[in-house]
Amino acid sequence: DTGVSQDPRHKITKRGQNVTFRCDPISEHNRLYWYRQTLGQGPEFLTYFQNEAQLEKSRLLSDRFSAERPKGSFSTLEIQRTEQGDSAMYLCASSSPVAQVTQYFGPGTRLTVL
Amino acid sequence: DQQVKQNSPSLSVQEGRISILNCDYTNSMFDYFLWYKKYPAEGPTFLISISSIKDKNEDGRFTVFLNKSAKHLSLHIVPSQPGDSAVYFCAASAPGANNLFFGTGTRLTVIP
Repeated sequence: DTGVSQDPRHKITKRGQNVTFRCDPISEHNRLYWYRQTLGQGPEFLTYFQNEAQLEKSRLLSDRFSAERPKGSFSTLEIQRTEQGDSAMYLCASSSPVAQVTQYFGPGTRLTVL
Repeated sequence: DQQVKQNSPSLSVQEGRISILNCDYTNSMFDYFLWYKKYPAEGPTFLISISSIKDKNEDGRFTVFLNKSAKHLSLHIVPSQPGDSAVYFCAASAPGANNLFFGTGTRLTVIP
């Protein structure tokens, strides 16, 4: 049973560029979550999918951020016109229909905006 | 507003001794609590959880205690091992909520 995978693991970009991250959840998990973690803080919720439907967005998810989960499998998180304040670790998690509360996290994508 | 608080940023313990990590919460609606362990450059790894209908849950060397009246939970690791050195996050969930609320973490160092 493979865990949650994320790609890329690291991304360095210049301010104003667009970036896209990918998350592949555990195969039988229907729920998928995106979180952001900055230095010295715990993960902060961004958005949540149940199958292909995006059911919740945090106020942290500005209009420069968009997430998709076509066909209810992998998910992408795109940040347009990146700003230095977007530099963070972006974490993806998934949970199963049987144990919905327990979320399993991927290794994260560390974004650095120069 | 930080609804889950871990007031100790760091903790050092001798190998073989007990490690006690503490967590406080403010939202009385929280009904499920989880502990995650995080190594550098990795995502959080689920460790142990507890429902609000229990006051204790044990899994091997790890035990979580919940005191609902005090809105406090703790993670006990005994005996502590050097491989336990990591950042530990407490997280909580409320009924109907889809996200977890995390504390700021406690860095545990187990000294050989």
